[in-house]
Amino acid sequence: SQQGEEDPQALSIQEGENATMNCSYKTSINNLQWYRQNSGRGLVHLILIRSNEREKHSGRLRVTLDTSKKSSSLLITASRAADTASYFCATGVRAGSYQLTFGKGTKLSVIP
Amino acid sequence: DTEVTQTPKHLVMGMTNKKSLKCEQHMGHRAMYWYKQKAKKPPELMFVYSYEKLSINESVPSRFSPECPNSSLLNLHLHALQPEDSALYLCASSQEGTQYFGPGTRLLVL
Repeated sequence: SQQGEEDPQALSIQEGENATMNCSYKTSINNLQWYRQNSGRGLVHLILIRSNEREKHSGRLRVTLDTSKKSSSLLITASRAADTASYFCATGVRAGSYQLTFGKGTKLSVIP
Repeated sequence: DTEVTQTPKHLVMGMTNKKSLKCEQHMGHRAMYWYKQKAKKPPELMFVYSYEKLSINESVPSRFSPECPNSSLLNLHLHALQPEDSALYLCASSQEGTQYFGPGTRLLVL
């Protein structure tokens, strides 16, 4: 299985602090994506980083990818209470159809 | 329109019932997906449709039957489910690798 493993499983920080979540995976990928899920609802795509990219930014989000270590990190800067959610990394592979395999997720709580 | 819609939002059914979940997107995406998500777990892929043809069935029991009537619609027909099938069922469509998810149907099987 190339399911990602997120670390930590849960993270609690104060508003304004930065939050860092890590993801490791096992096999070759085309890309790695991060998604957010608010309590029991649909997932929202945050950012996609291709296997030939090392770093990507989108607003307060910064993602890094190290394919030699098969790992990625998501940094959320200047966190807000509204960032409270579960965050999943997902490895993308095209094998005929395009497939995502999700990691176990990190539950982030931002305390106002 | 960048939205994936799912109906119903909630569904309670008995083990002898037949029901259907519906998913719709108008983004022109040609790949659509069904996922099952249990509480505090990641989504698990069930089915993938590519150009309206079933391309992946992740060994899902036959009591779940997918259908893709056209490029915008995806159904999941449910029959003789078990209580352990209670979960959030998510539909997604994709373009160039990014998947767009609907809000899900929360299913409870009694």
